[in-house]
Amino acid sequence: LAKTTQPISMDSYEGQEVNITCSHNNIATNDYITWYQQFPSQGPRFIIQGYKTKVTNEVASLFIPADRKSSTLSLPRVSLSDTAVYYCLVGGFTGGGNKLTFGTGTQLKVEL
Amino acid sequence: DTAVSQTPKYLVTQMGNDKSIKCEQNLGHDTMYWYKQDSKKFLKIMFSYNNKELIINETVPNRFSPKSPDKAHLNLHINSLELGDSAVYFCASSQRGGGPDETFGSGTRLTVV
Repeated sequence: LAKTTQPISMDSYEGQEVNITCSHNNIATNDYITWYQQFPSQGPRFIIQGYKTKVTNEVASLFIPADRKSSTLSLPRVSLSDTAVYYCLVGGFTGGGNKLTFGTGTQLKVEL
Repeated sequence: DTAVSQTPKYLVTQMGNDKSIKCEQNLGHDTMYWYKQDSKKFLKIMFSYNNKELIINETVPNRFSPKSPDKAHLNLHINSLELGDSAVYFCASSQRGGGPDETFGSGTRLTVV
């Protein structure tokens, strides 16, 4: 099973771009990379998903190098409300049978 | 109108008791899940279920059992509760496993004393 490694915490200021990198050295060929956001006392919320190269949506960008052994979640111009835990997850599309442990995630703290 | 709702939000009970947590989704999704988030914030899948198959994480004790009366509900039954079962349990649903539409409930904080 592909294991992910992320920094435990990051600090930033409002208006800055934040990049959170996740390592997944033994990612499988059919695995996708998914990022979730979790606020205290809430369930995780899907942010972005990709397989290779770059994916962008209204919230974030996801950069995946050719070897797919890592990925970087990029949050443009963060605000205080982006303070949350961000989880990187790798897995494939099935009935959920190969869904993985999310890991400890990265606690992002955004300050004024 | 909550998409994935769980009840109760908080549950405090004694060791050895049997309890249930209910989950309902109104998104029309085919697959539902139960996750456990421990005190270290590890979020781990316990079960995934659709109308065709139940997939169980092999590390989940058989004291835990999911029950699905219909496509919109997946309840979690826990027998003979232990101190180590204390955690936050999240229900989720999606149309395609692990897809962008996966939606989580707000969680049930279970405390076993």
